[in-house]
Amino acid sequence: QKEVEQDPGPLSVPEGAIVSLNCTYSNSAFQYFMWYRQYSRKGPELLMYTYSSGNKEDGRFTAQVDKSSKYISLFIRDSQPSDSATYLCAMILSGNTGKLIFGQGTTLQVKP
Amino acid sequence: DAGVIQSPRHEVTEMGQEVTLRCKPISGHNSLFWYRQTMMRGLELLIYFNNNVPIDDSGMPEDRFSAKMPNASFSTLKIQPSEPRDSAVYFCASSFPQRGGTDTQYFGPGTRLTVL
Repeated sequence: QKEVEQDPGPLSVPEGAIVSLNCTYSNSAFQYFMWYRQYSRKGPELLMYTYSSGNKEDGRFTAQVDKSSKYISLFIRDSQPSDSATYLCAMILSGNTGKLIFGQGTTLQVKP
Repeated sequence: DAGVIQSPRHEVTEMGQEVTLRCKPISGHNSLFWYRQTMMRGLELLIYFNNNVPIDDSGMPEDRFSAKMPNASFSTLKIQPSEPRDSAVYFCASSFPQRGGTDTQYFGPGTRLTVL
């Protein structure tokens, strides 16, 4: 079993839809939870990160962490065609700078 | 800033040949990471350096892979001899320590390696 599980999709939605992307994990020691966005043939870029449990909002993006369920989510409101990309969740142990564990990534297509 | 710079962007080689991938991290960053991305396995950390010193190389698949960081502004990942199963996109990333949070890793554009 992988430490981080993420449905690869693809996920196709119409423009304006609310998108929900999810990851589950097995290691309860993870403390920081990130979401990266990767456009085709580009490197991943950090969207946002959350420490421990709770919600964090940044514009149209909301990240949620439920440590009791070992489940994290990224919500995208009013999705745009420019949001079409692969979204990777990533996690890191507390105090362990550097060693990110990535999910497989979910490919999202937002159709105009 | 130019961001993380990787070269070459594309490499096609034949099985058994030596391949060297290069990375220039963002100036001022003190951690450098090498990742490999494939459809089957996703994004995997191969090795990372802190202040030019290798900290964790447990992700390096086998002895055919080696990485060096001779100074703060340059790193190489070498595969010798290369095999078709090494075909992947190799990313370099760098980061700097942030107070009150975790480091943010900035990724380069990647090197797409094809071993025939």
